[in-house]
Amino acid sequence: DGGITQSPKYLFRKEGQNVTLSCEQNLNHDAMYWYRQDPGQGLRLIYYSQIVNDFQKGDIAEGYSVSREKKESFPLTVTSAQKNPTAFYLCASSIPRTTAQRNEQFFGPGTRLTVL
Amino acid sequence: AQTVTQSQPEMSVQEAETVTLSCTYDTSESDYYLFWYKQPPSRQMILVIRQEAYKQQNATENRFSVNFQKAAKSFSLKISDSQLGDAAMYFCAYRSAYGGATNKLIFGTGTLLAVQP
Repeated sequence: DGGITQSPKYLFRKEGQNVTLSCEQNLNHDAMYWYRQDPGQGLRLIYYSQIVNDFQKGDIAEGYSVSREKKESFPLTVTSAQKNPTAFYLCASSIPRTTAQRNEQFFGPGTRLTVL
Repeated sequence: AQTVTQSQPEMSVQEAETVTLSCTYDTSESDYYLFWYKQPPSRQMILVIRQEAYKQQNATENRFSVNFQKAAKSFSLKISDSQLGDAAMYFCAYRSAYGGATNKLIFGTGTLLAVQP
């Protein structure tokens, strides 16, 4: 079955440590996204990538970094510069808008990051 | 910049009854897409229904339908014959049809729906 996987489901980090969240998709989608979800704030875009080896900052990119070396993978690193990293992180993918106007974003199951 | 507002943080409905969740948005664009996503306790985001702004006909998916009022910038979700499995957080989202290849979604803050047996 095609889909998006995120690992781990729960992640604990000590202050000052970098941590990398995994996102893999086998939907053959070109575009991938990272969102952060906080209580009462909906989802906010961190980074997005429309194609391999290219990515753009979203609304809240400070303290985060990404890479897109493979079409299937879009890992997110939460660095020590992120002041309040405890949140739920969702990865999504989609066909580029220029290909199909009705395309939707498909979401992974999410990773809950807690800073101790 | 576009914004999406969900003014009902929590709603409750009796099983088999109908409930309407509200969503308003602000944009200066004429072409865009609107979505309702459901997030159950598992936290998996699931697309419920979508609406293209250029279509006057309201979208319908089984028990889910929308009331799209473009002039009023309103996009409410109606759930008919509510079931226990409908209990979830519901998010309204906006996506522009312009501005390059970005498929960025702008989300509201969500409405938590409880279904009473």
